[in-house]
Amino acid sequence: EVQVVESGGGSVQRGGSLRLSCRSFGFTMSAYSMNWVRQVPGKGLEWVSYIGIDFRTIYYGDSVRGRFTISRDKDSLYLQMNSLKDEDTGMYYCVRDDGAAGFDPWGQGTLVTVSS
Amino acid sequence: QSVLTQPPSVSGAPGQRVTISCTGNSSNIGAGHDVHWYQQLPGTAPKVLIYGNTNRPSGVSDRFSGSKSGTSASLAITGLQAGDEAHYYCQSYDNSLNIYAVFGGGTKLTVL
Repeated sequence: EVQVVESGGGSVQRGGSLRLSCRSFGFTMSAYSMNWVRQVPGKGLEWVSYIGIDFRTIYYGDSVRGRFTISRDKDSLYLQMNSLKDEDTGMYYCVRDDGAAGFDPWGQGTLVTVSS
Repeated sequence: QSVLTQPPSVSGAPGQRVTISCTGNSSNIGAGHDVHWYQQLPGTAPKVLIYGNTNRPSGVSDRFSGSKSGTSASLAITGLQAGDEAHYYCQSYDNSLNIYAVFGGGTKLTVL
């Protein structure tokens, strides 16, 4: 079964840092572009960041640019989150970029809670 | 404020047909980028419902269909069932500087 599994979420103080990880199962992650998408509890989806198969083509959403860093290695995807704000609280999903087939599959998500 | 605009909610009785609109602009949908639709059932992660504007993944009912025209796209659901009650999100791509993907704000479908 093709799937991705996130880890690394948890509670962190405002201004702190957290590193999320994502592993692939059933496919070779290095053959695909990957994304992080987040969702504030009870709210909609927000695209956060993209990394291409060349490891160098990278994009960020306006709300996280300068604070978050996406990276990857052969089998894993990462999101280094620094200077965390209250509004960064939410479920973070690792999502394979399946090109013309959209974002698929989605992981179960890892919850990040930022508090004072 | 989401880049793509969706109605916050739609509703319909079992067996009826509903549509959900997704409106963008000339830098995303209007630029020719594909639109994908995702269904998020309560307590679960989103899953692809329609990809490439009109295509259904294997296993998705043909009661779901997608279309795209100009700067907008639509998702239609026919023969509404209680199990269709969920949030639906459209997604596309954007030519704006350093932006890759954009989502709609989501639409909550209620089956009456």
